[in-house]
Amino acid sequence: EADIYQTPRYLVIGTGKKITLECSQTMGHDKMYWYQQDPGMELHLIHYSYGVNSTEKGDLSSESTVSRIRTEHFPLTLESARPSHTSQYLCASSADSHNYGYTFGSGTRLTVV
Amino acid sequence: GQNIDQPTEMTATEGAIVQINCTYQTSGFNGLFWYQQHAGEAPTFLSYNVLDGLEEKGRFSSFLSRSKGYSYLLLKELQMKDSASYLCAVRDPTGGGNKLTFGTGTQLKVEL
Repeated sequence: EADIYQTPRYLVIGTGKKITLECSQTMGHDKMYWYQQDPGMELHLIHYSYGVNSTEKGDLSSESTVSRIRTEHFPLTLESARPSHTSQYLCASSADSHNYGYTFGSGTRLTVV
Repeated sequence: GQNIDQPTEMTATEGAIVQINCTYQTSGFNGLFWYQQHAGEAPTFLSYNVLDGLEEKGRFSSFLSRSKGYSYLLLKELQMKDSASYLCAVRDPTGGGNKLTFGTGTQLKVEL
């Protein structure tokens, strides 16, 4: 079944460590997105991509970076994690057809101690 | 930019009907989406409106009035499992036409 996968599901890491959150989709979607969401709060777009080698920053400033070398893969990297990066990170993808919403991954809940 | 408003919390009784409103003020508009999000989980797609009127999908219906910048999600025959956050999202037509801006969500609590 076509889907979107995020790993790890939960991550606790020390300050200063480099981390990469993985996101892969098997639906052949061109458009992919990363959202950040604190508990009980709204989703904030931090990065998006409209295709291979295309990446843009979202509405919320983030110290993370992304890459899109393959259509199906859209990893997010934090070079030096800080406690302020503690949050849930949601990856999503969408097709070009206008009546199709986003498909979200299960999310990565990151805690930086 | 986009501004999306929806109530923070609502409470309803099992078996009842509840209407969750969403108003938006945007520079452009290319569709409105409703998502359901259970605590600690990812949002799941519920409905999409791009033209004025009502879209019905089982127990869920969504209405749009573009002239009023207004939408609502109607949930019928409420069940306990409907307790969740309901997110209203508007699509930004600029730069490729598929970027969504989400409201803060309405936390719905269904009680016995």
